[in-house]
Amino acid sequence: NAGVTQTPKFQVLKTGQSMTLQCAQDMNHEYMSWYRQDPGMGLRLIHYSVGAGITDQGEVPNGYNVSRSTTEDFPLRLLSAAPSQTSVYFCASSPQLAASYEQYFGPGTRLTVT
Amino acid sequence: GENVEQHPSTLSVQEGDSAVIKCTYSDSASNYFPWYKQELGKRPQLIIDIRSNVGEKKDQRIAVTLNKTAKHFSLHITETQPEDSAVYFCAATISGSARQLTFGSGTQLTVLP
Repeated sequence: NAGVTQTPKFQVLKTGQSMTLQCAQDMNHEYMSWYRQDPGMGLRLIHYSVGAGITDQGEVPNGYNVSRSTTEDFPLRLLSAAPSQTSVYFCASSPQLAASYEQYFGPGTRLTVT
Repeated sequence: GENVEQHPSTLSVQEGDSAVIKCTYSDSASNYFPWYKQELGKRPQLIIDIRSNVGEKKDQRIAVTLNKTAKHFSLHITETQPEDSAVYFCAATISGSARQLTFGSGTQLTVLP
């Protein structure tokens, strides 16, 4: 299994540009989430999904959209990039098992907005 | 919503000494508390977790303790080794929810040889 994969690894955008960060998992996990990591602030939840067709907002959703058309994929869209969105973005997935709440993280995407 | 505070932000210890990182949470409904380790440039990985029906859990040199009354939990690493150097994050969530974790701000642990 590849686990959780993310593309691209690095991206530079100009203010106002849009792009999609890709996330895929091959573990048949129901739960998927997007976090952003900024220095000194830990990881903050952007959006999450409890299954295909179901998404909801996390702590810092403004400026981002998500969709979940399949169990495997959970893309994150930046509608109009701003310098405040410069961050490292992690996608994570978790199985729908009461015995396991472990979140499996992808390798991250480092985004710079100039 | 949940708020998790983590202390200290940086911690240096001599190899072989113990390290303790502390977190407090605000939502008394939270009942699942994981700890993640993140090495430089890598993804966070779960190292240990505890549920609210347990006061302490150990896994070799790592242990976590939970005080529900005071709403705080701690990570204890004994006999530290240079490979323990990393950023450690605590988190909290409510089991049965959509696994939305609220993370602390992280502790940079440096183990000095």
